[in-house]
Amino acid sequence: QQPVQSPQAVILREGEDAVINCSSSKALYSVHWYRQKHGEAPVFLMILLKGGEQKGHDKISASFNEKKQQSSLYLTASQLSYSGTYFCGTDNFGNEKLTFGTGTRLTIIP
Amino acid sequence: DTGVSQDPRHKITKRGQNVTFRCDPISEHNRLYWYRQTLGQGPEFLTYFQNEAQLEKSRLLSDRFSAERPKGSFSTLEIQRTEQGDSAMYLCASSLAAGKETQYFGPGTRLLVL
Repeated sequence: QQPVQSPQAVILREGEDAVINCSSSKALYSVHWYRQKHGEAPVFLMILLKGGEQKGHDKISASFNEKKQQSSLYLTASQLSYSGTYFCGTDNFGNEKLTFGTGTRLTIIP
Repeated sequence: DTGVSQDPRHKITKRGQNVTFRCDPISEHNRLYWYRQTLGQGPEFLTYFQNEAQLEKSRLLSDRFSAERPKGSFSTLEIQRTEQGDSAMYLCASSLAAGKETQYFGPGTRLLVL
């Protein structure tokens, strides 16, 4: 079953922060976050594994709550280049077969 | 560049024709995935391979779709008797099956069936 992402869309001014949530109805083995710009392929951002809690690099980080079966992506001090659609892909069985959410469209304005 | 490559990047065909897409994964990756993505949706799993073995095929995939990875390197996805509903972006991804690795996507093949 497809994970649910929220919000569906968000508009921010450059420099503001954003949180994107991903919830699964099944137990999670791992969560993979991607960003996709219009007409392009999804680009890998980070992976969170069962047993891990939080990862991050630069101004993008993510958390993984195993009990709640959800993950959140945090974008701080957003830049224009952060615009795009963010997808979480969930692996429920550790077989690396991902089920993707419906996406969160992020628009950053100057 | 050693990323995932796909060919062609765009394909326009008439309903009823057959089409074939190719994917070349990252060279050391033994897992290869095919996804379909329509406008406003996330990638939808179609099938995947470990080396040359096809491990799973989505139940959503009709018999008109077939995929191969004959030598465990590149893969082809064929759609027979195309329908307008097949119009979508077809994405290929590859990974190193180690339990902690993610998938890296190619640029996709955009198919338009007229």
